[in-house]
Amino acid sequence: GNSVTQMEGPVTLSEEAFLTINCTYTATGYPSLFWYVQYPGEGLQLLLKATKADDKGSNKGFEATYRKETTSFHLEKGSVQVSDSAVYFCALTGNNAGNMLTFGGGTRLMVKP
Amino acid sequence: GAVVSQHPSWVICKSGTSVKIECRSLDFQATTMFWYRQFPKQSLMLMATSNEGSKATYEQGVEKDKFLINHASLTLSTLTVTSAHPEDSSFYICSARALLERTYNEQFFGPGTRLTVL
Repeated sequence: GNSVTQMEGPVTLSEEAFLTINCTYTATGYPSLFWYVQYPGEGLQLLLKATKADDKGSNKGFEATYRKETTSFHLEKGSVQVSDSAVYFCALTGNNAGNMLTFGGGTRLMVKP
Repeated sequence: GAVVSQHPSWVICKSGTSVKIECRSLDFQATTMFWYRQFPKQSLMLMATSNEGSKATYEQGVEKDKFLINHASLTLSTLTVTSAHPEDSSFYICSARALLERTYNEQFFGPGTRLTVL
């Protein structure tokens, strides 16, 4: 079956530091890949996505590239802000309508001023 | 576009009572709605999948008589936690998958409902 593995947190960074949150996946076929962000007390918001190999998703300074050869979708940001403090979930869904979202365990990011 | 709402956002109830949580897609029609449960500092666990007009499909280990799901229209799904107990306290999140071609296979999430059972 499908699975997503992401680095455990918490990840603690100073403001303006570089961020990488690793995500690798196991899936059959050609999944779509997502990063969701969850701010304290809120639901999930889609941060970015990529639907095929070598696609780069980007939003709000975050980016991730769909690497089929390494089955990875690492999240990066060049300069984090305190407001980026949240939990980040990597997820995938299969390439047909019946497939569900499979989530990683989540990575908590804490950015200190 | 593609906004999903949940109501209530927070509910506290006594043990033994039933609680209904609504999930609405505000500006699109949802072929499928999903219900997730999230424990503190953990990932989302899929509880069930509901399609409009048909019975929900529950994940293994989720009691369907305990968590009643109704998907009466393309914009509304409800989750009723029957005879709630303290161990049912959790954050319940719904999501909806749209009929829109440009968002094929993408789920849009509600803000969540925090249930506390005393």
